[in-house]
Amino acid sequence: DTAVSQTPKYLVTQMGNDKSIKCEQNLGHDTMYWYKQDSKKFLKIMFSYNNKELIINETVPNRFSPKSPDKAHLNLHINSLELGDSAVYFCASSQQINSPLHFGNGTRLTVT
Amino acid sequence: TQLLEQSPQFLSIQEGENLTVYCNSSSVFSSLQWYRQEPGEGPVLLVTVVTGGEVKKLKRLTFQFGDARKDSSLHITAAQPGDTGLYLCAIPDYGQNFVFGPGTRLSVLP
Repeated sequence: DTAVSQTPKYLVTQMGNDKSIKCEQNLGHDTMYWYKQDSKKFLKIMFSYNNKELIINETVPNRFSPKSPDKAHLNLHINSLELGDSAVYFCASSQQINSPLHFGNGTRLTVT
Repeated sequence: TQLLEQSPQFLSIQEGENLTVYCNSSSVFSSLQWYRQEPGEGPVLLVTVVTGGEVKKLKRLTFQFGDARKDSSLHITAAQPGDTGLYLCAIPDYGQNFVFGPGTRLSVLP
């Protein structure tokens, strides 16, 4: 069973479009995250979500919005996609804040 | 936000060789994690170290946490092609998330 699963694995879209990436975890964890990994493999936090509290990295454009229908899901919606949004996006979860992270296998987003 | 440095950035070695990669910060941190990321996959936790001077072993991998809790090292003995990947260190950042280092890309050639 996949602990943290995200879909789609690949997403190719044009500038200006709106897209969503879904993430689900079956570990019963309380905290979920979205990370962005750029072309140099640098992983940077975008959001963390714990007990309905959303912590936003202030450098993330407001075109990005996480949506959590329940504790097991944290989806990422992106409006008006730009070329610079191309990257691999990772969902992760942890039992609580500062517990080890469990990552999904990433969504490679390509904006053309 | 605390910053982490990792060295070397890239490392290519032959199967059977030993290697050490490093993770450093100018600040003291409460704990540190090492992850390995293989191509097309997400990072996977290898170990968490929490005590200054702590040494942990995972088969051929030896992890050490510096006495001052500002640095850590990962030593691999007799590297194998299956060890190929991106090695990332990470530390907690003000209780909200983890900050990752830039990683060491290891390639072990058969």
